[in-house]
Amino acid sequence: DTEVTQTPKHLVMGMTNKKSLKCEQHMGHRAMYWYKQKAKKPPELMFVYSYEKLSINESVPSRFSPECPNSSLLNLHLHALQPEDSALYLCASSLSGPHYMGYEQYFGPGTRLTVT
Amino acid sequence: DAKTTQPNSMESNEEEPVHLPCNHSTISGTDYIHWYRQLPSQGPEYVIHGLTSNVNNRMASLAIAEDRKSSTLILHRATLRDAAVYYCILTYNNAGNMLTFGGGTRLMVKP
Repeated sequence: DTEVTQTPKHLVMGMTNKKSLKCEQHMGHRAMYWYKQKAKKPPELMFVYSYEKLSINESVPSRFSPECPNSSLLNLHLHALQPEDSALYLCASSLSGPHYMGYEQYFGPGTRLTVT
Repeated sequence: DAKTTQPNSMESNEEEPVHLPCNHSTISGTDYIHWYRQLPSQGPEYVIHGLTSNVNNRMASLAIAEDRKSSTLILHRATLRDAAVYYCILTYNNAGNMLTFGGGTRLMVKP
């Protein structure tokens, strides 16, 4: 199984809502990533978890809150988002942590988020 | 940080080889060269990576210049399914799997 799954596929939320994005992998990978991709732009790294610990936070606003409950699961909690946060949110995983060279990342299909 | 430069777009005919170039003149000795592609409405997909020697896998070949300042992704026989944005990415010294995506090359395949 070389799949990264993400739910939901689509999400529409108001600026006062609280919602969560979920990502799951069963490949035994120990690094998991969140990326944000705006329309017609490349993905941008947001967070990296390595062995269930937050390893990298790329100066992401606190309205985005990641969580890694176990080695297979990664969540992104959303609160008080702005319309400019509308984007495709991609999850990825890799065999080992971000400081090990040469391991490929496996990406999920993404959650398309619209903030109204 | 080492950067990559790729053409914005390229066109190819179906069943012909495609050579996608990438310049990375400031690459450092321990930087890996990764290629990912993103098909429409999908997440990025790993294609291939290398350090110094040319690499082949079932999807593509990676040709790395002797001075490592450029590389070329080779799709041996393009299909319509290969139409995607192709990203050439360097993983920075000691940054391992940290992927910083640039603009990429949009490959269009004509039947």
